[in-house]
Amino acid sequence: AQSVTQLDSHVSVSEGTPVLLRCNYSSSYSPSLFWYVQHPNKGLQLLLKYTSAATLVKGINGFEAEFKKSETSFHLTKPSAHMSDAAEYFCVVRPTGYSSASKIIFGSGTRLSIRP
Amino acid sequence: GAVVSQHPSRVICKSGTSVKIECRSLDFQATTMFWYRQFPKQSLMLMATSNEGSKATYEQGVEKDKFLINHASLTLSTLTVTSAHPEDSSFYICSAPLRDREHTGELFFGEGSRLTVL
Repeated sequence: AQSVTQLDSHVSVSEGTPVLLRCNYSSSYSPSLFWYVQHPNKGLQLLLKYTSAATLVKGINGFEAEFKKSETSFHLTKPSAHMSDAAEYFCVVRPTGYSSASKIIFGSGTRLSIRP
Repeated sequence: GAVVSQHPSRVICKSGTSVKIECRSLDFQATTMFWYRQFPKQSLMLMATSNEGSKATYEQGVEKDKFLINHASLTLSTLTVTSAHPEDSSFYICSAPLRDREHTGELFFGEGSRLTVL
């Protein structure tokens, strides 16, 4: 069975310090992995995606994530947090081999707060 | 990038009335659209898959007669909450993959619609 676990429901960092949002997945097949960001009362915006190319993926707004198969992880990082990064972040896994995107699995989300 | 537009962004209605939410793909065609429901501080829950020209596929536990979905064209899907009750109050979000790229798993999301039933 496929699943995705976001290890922290809430992360708080100071502005200018590094951000680490953790995500572990379970998939029988090589998955496609995504990070989406959701600002309050808004839809989701794609930050970055991993689709079996380079294991280190760079996304928008300075975010990046590294796919580690041995650890079944896809943690999201950013070297220096900005106030505008405060939002909800979702790790999403899409098992390959499925033709329907309805098999996409959303993590429970991590709320990122930025302290001035 | 591909844009998905949802309307209305906020709607307040009286109990017992019906509410229609539209989801449009503005610059691409979408044979499939997904409707989600999101409770406060929770993740997205897939309600149904909307298929252009055919019946929607509902997830287990979602009432078909309560949440009517119509996908009339390659750019428009609608969700109608019929006889709404306060427990239907929620944030509803639609998404769509690019046509012929459903296999990538990448989705484009609407801005969401907050429904409040009094």
